[in-house]
Amino acid sequence: KAGVTQTPRYLIKTRGQQVTLSCSPISGHRSVSWYQQTPGQGLQFLFEYFSETQRNKGNFPGRFSGRQFSNSRSEMNVSTLELGDSALYLCASSLWEFGYEQYFGPGTRLTVT
Amino acid sequence: EDKVVQSPLSLVVHEGDTVTLNCSYEVTNFRSLLWYKQEKKAPTFLFMLTSSGIEKKSGRLSSILDKKELFSILNITATQTGDSAIYLCAVEFSNTDKLIFGTGTRLQVFP
Repeated sequence: KAGVTQTPRYLIKTRGQQVTLSCSPISGHRSVSWYQQTPGQGLQFLFEYFSETQRNKGNFPGRFSGRQFSNSRSEMNVSTLELGDSALYLCASSLWEFGYEQYFGPGTRLTVT
Repeated sequence: EDKVVQSPLSLVVHEGDTVTLNCSYEVTNFRSLLWYKQEKKAPTFLFMLTSSGIEKKSGRLSSILDKKELFSILNITATQTGDSAIYLCAVEFSNTDKLIFGTGTRLQVFP
């Protein structure tokens, strides 16, 4: 079974631009969660989608948004990029919401200059 | 293939019990191993381990790394219902931005 895939793996953007990251969960998984990993803040939860609905949201500004498609693939969008948005963005898929094991993707490394 | 494996996947205990969570890894270019507690999707950093045999402790939680046998354990003594969470283990690679997570151990502590 193929694992969680994230594209692109690396991205360089400039301040003020916007970016869209993609996550394809493991086949059959319906939950996709997004996380931001930075050296200073560690791992922080962005949001979770289950069956195309946002079920949970972390404490991030409205510039961070996401969506999930009917095939469970998810996209995360960040508008008006700031230098502080430079991070590793991870997505994780699981069969159901809370309580089931999560499978993390390799992450997308976003660098904002 | 680089991988991180956590066991058990799920654990149910009563308050006051002591639990041991395991994280084994097979990675190239190991830099550090991280433990997180995740409640309702919000992970909280617990420990970062880089050296073998040195126990890190925070209250009732402690963790140790064995770089020879490629594993780490997280111990929780005198468990409380508030310890109920998913515990994630992740390995950082040196010289790259690679970070691999295990699937987590779900701990449920009942009164």
